[in-house]
Amino acid sequence: AQSVTQLGSHVSVSEGALVLLRCNYSSSVPPYLFWYVQYPNQGLQLLLKYTSAATLVKGINGFEAEFKKSETSFHLTKPSAHMSDAAEYFCAVSDRSGGSNYKLTFGKGTLLTVNP
Amino acid sequence: DTGVSQDPRHKITKRGQNVTFRCDPISEHNRLYWYRQTLGQGPEFLTYFQNEAQLEKSRLLSDRFSAERPKGSFSTLEIQRTEQGDSAMYLCASSLLDTNTGELFFGEGSRLTVL
Repeated sequence: AQSVTQLGSHVSVSEGALVLLRCNYSSSVPPYLFWYVQYPNQGLQLLLKYTSAATLVKGINGFEAEFKKSETSFHLTKPSAHMSDAAEYFCAVSDRSGGSNYKLTFGKGTLLTVNP
Repeated sequence: DTGVSQDPRHKITKRGQNVTFRCDPISEHNRLYWYRQTLGQGPEFLTYFQNEAQLEKSRLLSDRFSAERPKGSFSTLEIQRTEQGDSAMYLCASSLLDTNTGELFFGEGSRLTVL
């Protein structure tokens, strides 16, 4: 069964600083990987996805993530944090082992705070 | 494209009462999912439909929970005899069967508080 581990439930950065949110996955088949963002009292919005094409994936709002098979990682980065980036971020892996279920399994999330 | 909509957005109920949530997926999406999210946790899978067929149910979905998608369009999630442990955000998502990436489109959720 697939699983996702997000290291650090809370990350705090200064405005303009590098953002690094960590995600490691476990999957029995080549995974599809996702990062979603959730603002308070809202649903989840897709930031970016890895679907076995380029290993460096660019998403919305200046975020990107790199798939590293050898490290089973898919860390999310942004060169310069903005106050509007404050939110909770979820890494997810797609269940492809069953054929076509495409059920997502989420990590516990990382809350990003941005200090002025 | 109006996105996934959920109703109600907030529901406060007393323990033992029944509640029902509705989800309207993106119109052309044939897959519909229900997830539950508790405070400080990521979304947990509850169940999913392909058109009107309920194809998978999580062990989290106890006998008090029932989900339907009668015409392959909107879906309802009913919780009978609610308990305080049912307090959570219930998220609905939809996707297209033909996409091969597994991307889900989420609604804004229905927050349940059981007193």
